[in-house]
Amino acid sequence: QSALTQPASVSGSPGQSITISCTGTSSDVGGYNYVSWYQQHPGKAPKLMIYEVSNRPSGVPDRFSGSKSGNTASLTISGLQAEDEADYYCSSYTSSSTVVFGGGTKLTVL
Amino acid sequence: QVQLVQSGSELKKPGASVKVSCKASGYTFTSYAMNWVRQAPGQGLEWMGWINTNTGNPTYAQGFTGRFVFSLDTSVSTAYLQISSLKAEDTAVYYCARDGHGGSPLPDYWGQGTLVTVSS
Repeated sequence: QSALTQPASVSGSPGQSITISCTGTSSDVGGYNYVSWYQQHPGKAPKLMIYEVSNRPSGVPDRFSGSKSGNTASLTISGLQAEDEADYYCSSYTSSSTVVFGGGTKLTVL
Repeated sequence: QVQLVQSGSELKKPGASVKVSCKASGYTFTSYAMNWVRQAPGQGLEWMGWINTNTGNPTYAQGFTGRFVFSLDTSVSTAYLQISSLKAEDTAVYYCARDGHGGSPLPDYWGQGTLVTVSS
């Protein structure tokens, strides 16, 4: 199972919005509504930010939103803040009953 | 609150074995499967597989068969990852991560990670 495709890096200024894409196939992202997004700060464990494509766990700011179109899922962060600077990973359930992660995207807040 | 607490860092020589523990609290251990995820230095997340905490049946991802073993001790709500015949390329942080709420197969809560360093 190949990793999902994410851009290596994105950047934005405080207050701006950014979108991170996550491209898979009809056997993973496109075939299921089981897509999650994780935030990981250096030296820390990943933290769940979005589950089932567009749902936010309790405590995650509503500046974070998720969506999906076809085989591509997206994470949008609006009103960027300095503390949003981190690595972001998408993940999806697959038709092989496995889990696959994206390669990760480094978000820089300028 | 849900917590997954992992054992501490390990330094091992090539060819040795290591066993990482993941103690769960704050929920019914056998109600959620447990995943294991590897992160090599400077690299991304890699799903290693999962273990059914009801039956103890493990499922291993491609590339994690043979030397990797998932196990449980439900009496102490703890999952284990054992790696044998360690190689330098096994150097990584290993995370346990609980399956999501409502039957979601993707992880929600994660342990803090255990660094395993393999070096002579």
